[in-house]
Amino acid sequence: KAGVTQTPRYLIKTRGQQVTLSCSPISGHRSVSWYQQTPGQGLQFLFEYFSETQRNKGNFPGRFSGRQFSNSRSEMNVSTLELGDSALYLCASSLDSGIQETQYFGPGTRLLVL
Amino acid sequence: AQTVTQSQPEMSVQEAETVTLSCTYDTSESDYYLFWYKQPPSRQMILVIRQEAYKQQNATENRFSVNFQKAAKSFSLKISDSQLGDAAMYFCALRGGGYQKVTFGTGTKLQVIP
Repeated sequence: KAGVTQTPRYLIKTRGQQVTLSCSPISGHRSVSWYQQTPGQGLQFLFEYFSETQRNKGNFPGRFSGRQFSNSRSEMNVSTLELGDSALYLCASSLDSGIQETQYFGPGTRLLVL
Repeated sequence: AQTVTQSQPEMSVQEAETVTLSCTYDTSESDYYLFWYKQPPSRQMILVIRQEAYKQQNATENRFSVNFQKAAKSFSLKISDSQLGDAAMYFCALRGGGYQKVTFGTGTKLQVIP
């Protein structure tokens, strides 16, 4: 099976712009989670989607949003980019959203905001 | 709320030696899972080992084993016969019941010295 894929891998934007990141989970996986990883804050949970429904949301401003499609692919959007949004954005998929589920991570999208 | 604490930002070990990475956590849930994830310099995070809170027996995966002390809320990772490929960031993670999000620790950077 193909692993979790994320596109694009690298992105450079300027302040005020918006960006959309995409994540394709492993085939058959219905849960997708998004994380922001920075050297200072570590891995911060953004949100989790399961069967097109947002199941959990982290403590991020409303500029961060996401959605999941019927084929389980997920997108996250960041509007009005700020310098502090520069980070590695990781997507992880799992078969289900139960507590025992192992998350399989993608390679990440590295976003640089200038 | 659930928390995960990794108090060792960096560790080093000689090749072929044994090293233990520490992790403490807090949760009000009675049922939960604990995970250790590894993130090599290439950035793709992968699962190393996981432990269900209800199981008293410590999980083992080849050279990797855990010391799960439920009462002390401690979940350490032992790597035996360390190899150069073990060099990575190691993250401890917790997921409690009730569709709670996965909470990650801040990570421990492991260096393996030839």
